[in-house]
Amino acid sequence: DGGITQSPKYLFRKEGQNVTLSCEQNLNHDAMYWYRQDPGQGLRLIYYSQIVNDFQKGDIAEGYSVSREKKESFPLTVTSAQKNPTAFYLCASTKGDRRFYGYTFGSGTRLTVV
Amino acid sequence: GESVGLHLPTLSVQEGDNSIINCAYSNSASDYFIWYKQESGKGPQFIIDIRSNMDKRQGQRVTVLLNKTVKHLSLQIAATQPGDSAVYFCADLRPPGNQFYFGTGTSLTVIP
Repeated sequence: DGGITQSPKYLFRKEGQNVTLSCEQNLNHDAMYWYRQDPGQGLRLIYYSQIVNDFQKGDIAEGYSVSREKKESFPLTVTSAQKNPTAFYLCASTKGDRRFYGYTFGSGTRLTVV
Repeated sequence: GESVGLHLPTLSVQEGDNSIINCAYSNSASDYFIWYKQESGKGPQFIIDIRSNMDKRQGQRVTVLLNKTVKHLSLQIAATQPGDSAVYFCADLRPPGNQFYFGTGTSLTVIP
């Protein structure tokens, strides 16, 4: 079955460390997204990519970096510059025209700073 | 000082009753809307969508109503079941159409 796989499910980071969250999809979707979710808040867009080797900043890109070397993969690195990284991170993907398909989401990665 | 988190709107309903969850959006140019359901610790799941040229769409036990005049969206769940307990988000697609914008969500609790 096609879907989006996020790993790991739980991740612990020491202060000052960079960590990378994995997102892989086998849906042949063109666009991929990273969102951050904090308690009591809506999803906030970190980065998105509409095509391989291209990506754009979202509303809260500071302290994060991404790459899109393959259509199937869109890893997110949380750098030491992100001062409050503890959150639930969601990856999503969609076909070219979002009006017809909406997003398919992964199951999320919960990142905690220790 | 102590930080205070935001609290989600909450809705509690008896099993078997109908539920209505509301959402306001801000951009009059938004032309496509989706309701998502998110269970604890999981990613959001698509429930139902509606385009701006419609004012009502029905699915299995769910109905979405769109009022463009007041920029309001609602999700109606018929005969609510315990498995419907979750957080429900609305999302809208606005120009230039390359990303969805999400509401803060409503937490639905179904009382057996």
